[in-house]
Amino acid sequence: AQKITQTQPGMFVQEKEAVTLDCTYDTSDQSYGLFWYKQPSSGEMIFLIYQGSYDEQNATEGRYSLNFQKARKSANLVISASQLGDSAMYFCAMRGHGSSNTGKLIFGQGTTLQVKP
Amino acid sequence: DAGVTQSPTHLIKTRGQQVTLRCSPKSGHDTVSWYQQALGQGPQFIFQYYEEEERQRGNFPDRFSGHQFPNYSSELNVNALLLGDSALYLCASTEAGGYSYEQYFGPGTRLTVT
Repeated sequence: AQKITQTQPGMFVQEKEAVTLDCTYDTSDQSYGLFWYKQPSSGEMIFLIYQGSYDEQNATEGRYSLNFQKARKSANLVISASQLGDSAMYFCAMRGHGSSNTGKLIFGQGTTLQVKP
Repeated sequence: DAGVTQSPTHLIKTRGQQVTLRCSPKSGHDTVSWYQQALGQGPQFIFQYYEEEERQRGNFPDRFSGHQFPNYSSELNVNALLLGDSALYLCASTEAGGYSYEQYFGPGTRLTVT
C-alpha cells in the first residue's frame, strides 16, 4: 500500500529565511510521482512542484525545490526566502504509475507553515 | 482560460438528506477526480471519472456516487448524509486520461451536515 508521512504538524519560519518541510513515502511501485501542494485558508489546492521517481535531478520551481532522496524514500520541500504569503497548509502527495493506478493522489496529513514578519 | 470550477461554494444539509456537487474541469482536461478533505486532514480519494465511467474508486461507501457528462463535467452525489460527511469536497482535473502529472484542483465545496 502507498503511504505518505508528514511528521511536522506545524512549523514557524522567519520572513526571508529558508524552511524545509519533511515528507517520507512508502510504495512498492518502481515508477511514481511526488507532488507538493499549498492550501491557503481559502481551501484551494495549489500545485507547487513535481518530482518523478526516475528524474535524476531534484526539481526546482522558483523559490521551491524538492530534496529527493530515493534510497531514503524522502521528498522534502525547501522554500527559500520565505514570504508572509507562504503561510498556509502544505501537503505532500504521491501517485503511482502501476497498472492499478490511474492518477489518484495519496496525500499526507499536511504541515501548517506560519511565516513570522 | 478558466481553471477548475466547483459549485456550490458552501452547502448546509440535514442528516439523511441527499446532496449533489458539481465540477467543471479545466479546458482541455478529460479526467475528473473527487476528494474528501475532513478538517485538519489530507484529502482522501473518492473516485475518478474518465470517458463517462468510474475508473477507480477509493474506500468510500456506495452512498457516494458520481457521473461524468460528455463535456467532461462531473457530479458527486452523496445519499443518506451522515454528520461525518461534513468536509471540503475537492475536484481535480487532468488530461491524457489521468496520466499527465499536472492535476489542477478547484476551490472546493464546503459541506456541513447538521
